[in-house]
Amino acid sequence: DSGVTQTPKHLITATGQRVTLRCSPRSGDLSVYWYQQSLDQGLQFLIQYYNGEERAKGNILERFSAQQFPDLHSELNLSSLELGDSALYFCASSGGGAGTGELFFGEGSRLTVL
Amino acid sequence: AQSVTQLGSHVSVSEGALVLLRCNYSSSVPPYLFWYVQYPNQGLQLLLKYTSAATLVKGINGFEAEFKKSETSFHLTKPSAHMSDAAEYFCAVSDKAGTALIFGKGTTLSVSS
Repeated sequence: DSGVTQTPKHLITATGQRVTLRCSPRSGDLSVYWYQQSLDQGLQFLIQYYNGEERAKGNILERFSAQQFPDLHSELNLSSLELGDSALYFCASSGGGAGTGELFFGEGSRLTVL
Repeated sequence: AQSVTQLGSHVSVSEGALVLLRCNYSSSVPPYLFWYVQYPNQGLQLLLKYTSAATLVKGINGFEAEFKKSETSFHLTKPSAHMSDAAEYFCAVSDKAGTALIFGKGTTLSVSS
């Protein structure tokens, strides 16, 4: 158990809809990262938040957005969903800037868009 | 920008055989390097990490990796494969702690009896 909690584990929705994925980081971790894992693209970094502020952006689509709340949990919002958005979405967390750089991953939220 | 190349999307070995999974990285600064394992329907679990201390890094479940700067490689090995090692393995790189990891495309390891 990594200590990172993601909900929901599975989500099935239709094209054009909007969903929200939730992540609770490990106790004490200030950084949250979102990744998308698909068969064709592999593991793609989407976005990082640190203590409530956006720190880095990766390959995140404009239809996607995220935020980190004062209690440090994070939400990833996916809107105007397309079939190609079907993927496994991972949240990971890490401590502050110091440390050895590893990320701790949740078990993921599997999104299926029909 | 950093990048990672994992040679071989699929590796098959017999139980008891040597496991060798290849990873080459590109980084403009001394990198942080990682190997993660993903079992079916699970998240990623850290196997081992290199952070500029010893070049030979030992991880969990008998895995180890050697950092070779001259070859920009960080290959993962295990002397004797077990059936339970069957999983997907990812190599990852970052240029400093507290930043996102860049992952390779992964290598699926199959172990036959």
